[in-house]
Amino acid sequence: AQTVTQSQPEMSVQEAETVTLSCTYDTSESDYYLFWYKQPPSRQMILVIRQEAYKQQNATENRFSVNFQKAAKSFSLKISDSQLGDAAMYFCAYRRGRAQKLVFGQGTRLTINP
Amino acid sequence: DVKVTQSSRYLVKRTGEKVFLECVQDMDHENMFWYRQDPGLGLRLIYFSYDVKMKEKGDIPEGYSVSREKKERFSLILESASTNQTSMYLCASSSRGARTEAFFGQGTRLTVV
Repeated sequence: AQTVTQSQPEMSVQEAETVTLSCTYDTSESDYYLFWYKQPPSRQMILVIRQEAYKQQNATENRFSVNFQKAAKSFSLKISDSQLGDAAMYFCAYRRGRAQKLVFGQGTRLTINP
Repeated sequence: DVKVTQSSRYLVKRTGEKVFLECVQDMDHENMFWYRQDPGLGLRLIYFSYDVKMKEKGDIPEGYSVSREKKERFSLILESASTNQTSMYLCASSSRGARTEAFFGQGTRLTVV
């Protein structure tokens, strides 16, 4: 079975600094997708960034980027120029190919210090 | 604006009660999901449905059942609520396809006393 591990229960960063959240996963599949979701205090989970396993190029969305290391099965999220609104729980998630369900990691609570 | 709506944000029920959690999506999505969120455990899949009247067990289906009579609505049922079912419940939906993303409701925090 596929598993997703986030080894950092909590992280904190100064406003305007850069922070990296770690995620590792275990799979024997070659076709899969990886996601980072953000859950702010309002609890509405929203998609931050998505990476297709077949793409070598790391995904980027404005201040958010990933470091996708397929051989190491690592998928970290880098947040640049951290803002107070980035404070949230962040979940790493895996989806196998055309399968529908997501497998989530344990989550990392990110605090932004002003 | 896409929307997944859960009927309650907070719910308090007594042990042994039958509990219904309702979820409605307006995106004509084929897939709908119920997750349970607990601290340190992340989100765990309870049940999902890929079509009307179709359902599949997730990782933790024990003590739960689901119903999907209409495409837009997916209900989670706790037949006899127990205190260990106190948790945050998240509903999600997605379309079929490889690049699809899941959209989530705002969550229902259920307390069983």
